[in-house]
Amino acid sequence: EVKLLESGGGLVQPGGSLRLSCAASGFTFADFYMSWIRQSPGKAPEWLSFIRNKANSYTTEYNPSVKGRFTISRDDTQNVLYLQMNTLRAEDTAIYYCAKHGGGYWFAYWGQGTLVTVSS
Amino acid sequence: DIVMTQTPSSQAVSAGEKVTMSCKSSQSLLYSENKKNYLAWYQQKPGQSPKLLISWASTRESGVPDRFIGSGSGTDFTLTISSVQAEDLAVYYCEQYYDTPLTFGSGTKLEIK
Repeated sequence: EVKLLESGGGLVQPGGSLRLSCAASGFTFADFYMSWIRQSPGKAPEWLSFIRNKANSYTTEYNPSVKGRFTISRDDTQNVLYLQMNTLRAEDTAIYYCAKHGGGYWFAYWGQGTLVTVSS
Repeated sequence: DIVMTQTPSSQAVSAGEKVTMSCKSSQSLLYSENKKNYLAWYQQKPGQSPKLLISWASTRESGVPDRFIGSGSGTDFTLTISSVQAEDLAVYYCEQYYDTPLTFGSGTKLEIK
């Protein structure tokens, strides 16, 4: 059974930083592309970033809305996906999900999410 | 960016009825080389994370009931639920994966009368 468990969310002040983690199990993590997606209350999901697998050189893509502030990475030895978030703003407040890609760039499985609140 | 527009924003139906919802993209999602439409549908029940229903516009995921039917091509897509059940109460989102940034529609909220 595929499991994705996000952690690292919480309350942070504007301008602060946070690193999210996503522990994966139930599949061969190293083989799959992985993404971070966020969702503000009552809003549609917003894709943030994905990272390809080793076979595709771990290349990354970012939504322009977060490019330069957020960094995605992965540790295939520990089956963990990361999102480093810097210079956080109030509008970054949302539930952050990690997701496993399917055979294409759709999201086959989502975690339960971790809440990030940016407020003074 | 490819803009995804979903209509209606909400819909109320009785159990057993057929429901259709629309998703339109600002540019074609049909890739000429493989003749595939790069569109997925998700279901998000209250308090849960989204769940993949359909990829490639019409391919149901394993375990998804066959009352969920995806159709369409190019810029116009439809999700049909042939006979709505009470457990289908959810928001339904479409997503294009033709190009980055990957983008979602604003969703259609399905309510059961």
